[in-house]
Amino acid sequence: IAGITQAPTSQILAAGRRMTLRCTQDMRHNAMYWYRQDLGLGLRLIHYSNTAGTTGKGEVPDGYSVSRANTDDFPLTLASAVPSQTSVYFCASSEVSGGANEQFFGPGTRLTVL
Amino acid sequence: GQNIDQPTEMTATEGAIVQINCTYQTSGFNGLFWYQQHAGEAPTFLSYNVLDGLEEKGRFSSFLSRSKGYSYLLLKELQMKDSASYLCAVIGNDYKLSFGAGTTVTVRA
Repeated sequence: IAGITQAPTSQILAAGRRMTLRCTQDMRHNAMYWYRQDLGLGLRLIHYSNTAGTTGKGEVPDGYSVSRANTDDFPLTLASAVPSQTSVYFCASSEVSGGANEQFFGPGTRLTVL
Repeated sequence: GQNIDQPTEMTATEGAIVQINCTYQTSGFNGLFWYQQHAGEAPTFLSYNVLDGLEEKGRFSSFLSRSKGYSYLLLKELQMKDSASYLCAVIGNDYKLSFGAGTTVTVRA
């Protein structure tokens, strides 16, 4: 059982380039999330999806977009990367959104924008 | 907005007890989570509290006081493998998790 997978594991990217971070879960969870984790700031929600076909903005959505074409996949796209997007990105999922529903996290993608 | 505060670092000796405090001021409250995160790894679920009181799970316990906006995570019989960051997270009225910056616990022999 894989749970949640993310790709790539790490990436160095030139500023201005477009980049898509991939996230796939095999738990048939309805809700999925993208966070970034920066030293001293903790995890911050970028975008979320409560169910396939719907998405919503989190705390820090600017410069990022997402899509949720099916239950399993939730890619995060940086249209034109900037150095401030250097961070560790975690994808997560939960059975449904909110309440006592534990979120399961992927292994993360370490992104460096130069 | 959400404001979640926890100490940055704590150090304790193997076999000892450590208490990690978390205070929060959020737009509504629908539960509080504690996650453990080892360096370079993903966060993993430890506990969930929505009612006041103590929830015990083996060596780990979590306490909640909603009226005080306060929680703590108690780690007993510390082991070297407990060296990690511990993240406090609150679900507000938007039903989304807001995380504190995390507390790094170092266990020394």
